[in-house]
Amino acid sequence: EIVMTQTPLSSPVTLGQPASISCRSSQSLVHSDGNTYLSWLQQRPGQPPRLLIYKISNRFSGVPDRFSGSGAGTDFTLTISRVEAEDVGVYYCMQATQFPPYTFGQGTKLEIK
Amino acid sequence: EVQLLESGGGLVQPGRSLRLSCAASGFTFANYAMSWVRQAPGKGLEWVSTISGSGGSTYYADSVKGRFTISRDNSWNTLYVQMNSLRAEDTAVYYCVKVTGRQGWEVDYWGQGTLVTVSS
Repeated sequence: EIVMTQTPLSSPVTLGQPASISCRSSQSLVHSDGNTYLSWLQQRPGQPPRLLIYKISNRFSGVPDRFSGSGAGTDFTLTISRVEAEDVGVYYCMQATQFPPYTFGQGTKLEIK
Repeated sequence: EVQLLESGGGLVQPGRSLRLSCAASGFTFANYAMSWVRQAPGKGLEWVSTISGSGGSTYYADSVKGRFTISRDNSWNTLYVQMNSLRAEDTAVYYCVKVTGRQGWEVDYWGQGTLVTVSS
């Protein structure tokens, strides 16, 4: 089973400033089909998770362009270019390359300073 | 618009059973694999089970294998999970999740969730 490790676990940021979250997998997430099935999810307080980014860097429908994803192999990053108040919540990375199972990072709590 | 609406959660005693349902709309249900993912109170996300679009293939986390059964009724656009021999550690919000249908097993849409509490 692939283990996903996120850092930091908590990230206080100033409104309008950038924020980044790292995710490392215990094995390469490159699938035999050539794709890398690494996603980022956002969970606002009291809400279900919501897909932000899929296959490392593709924004899902309706996701603002201040969110971007990057990385390759075992190291990935979610970047928010300018944090807004509505971005507060917990962010998870998730791998679907070696399924089953799906595995998730522990979550990173983004809060405003 | 894709909508996933879970139901069936509640308070149940240890050792008893519960069946959750997820009513899907806004897409051709039979064409997509579906999953259940759970989240214990204050904790992270844990995959529970996945079923193929036809229902012919099913997958389970080790923590629920032999106790939970995933199924679907494509005529009614509904996903189910039958949960038997429930334990305190099964207490969680259970989310119904759609698989993208593109290559691989990525997920896209999540339901609002239904809370299952296992306690005497």
